[in-house]
Amino acid sequence: GQQVMQIPQYQHVQEGEDFTTYCNSSTTLSNIQWYKQRPGGHPVFLIQLVKSGEVKKQKRLTFQFGEAKKNSSLHITATQTTDVGTYFCAGPAQGGSEKLVFGKGTKLTVNP
Amino acid sequence: NAGVTQTPKFQVLKTGQSMTLQCAQDMNHEYMSWYRQDPGMGLRLIHYSVGAGITDQGEVPNGYNVSRSTTEDFPLRLLSAAPSQTSVYFCASSSRTYYNEQFFGPGTRLTVL
Repeated sequence: GQQVMQIPQYQHVQEGEDFTTYCNSSTTLSNIQWYKQRPGGHPVFLIQLVKSGEVKKQKRLTFQFGEAKKNSSLHITATQTTDVGTYFCAGPAQGGSEKLVFGKGTKLTVNP
Repeated sequence: NAGVTQTPKFQVLKTGQSMTLQCAQDMNHEYMSWYRQDPGMGLRLIHYSVGAGITDQGEVPNGYNVSRSTTEDFPLRLLSAAPSQTSVYFCASSSRTYYNEQFFGPGTRLTVL
């Protein structure tokens, strides 16, 4: 079935360093979503990408959707302790069903 | 608006017991879903619903039942709890369809002994 692979599983950075997480699909995605989950919290929607090659920015966060719409990335510039959490990508399951499939997430820790 | 609410927040069950996790939303969302979250496994879809009276299975439906009698409520029933169902359960909703922004509830932490 549809799988959305996310790497790395864990990332530890010093405050001020950059961070990137990658999401890859074996099939073309109609769209991809990104979520953030703070420790002990619930996932919170960050953004949705729909167009091939799309790039969107939210302050220090940059989201990209690949030209083939099979991969996506989230880049954080100059991480802060408030960026700590797990970042998930999510995409539609294969086969036309109305399922949203999540990657396993990248857990980011930031050393102050 | 309260958004998506889930009860209870915590629950401990013994193997073989049954229970219902409650989920409600007040945003008039058509699409609702249940996920379970286990360490290192991300969020796995259990069941989902595209509207009242319509439900379907997700990736890991075994051992769970759902129903959607109203737009607002989407309860998840564990028929005979097993230790493998120890997890954090999240309910989510979105307007119209699955590819819109998902609003998650605060979660229910379930332990099965």
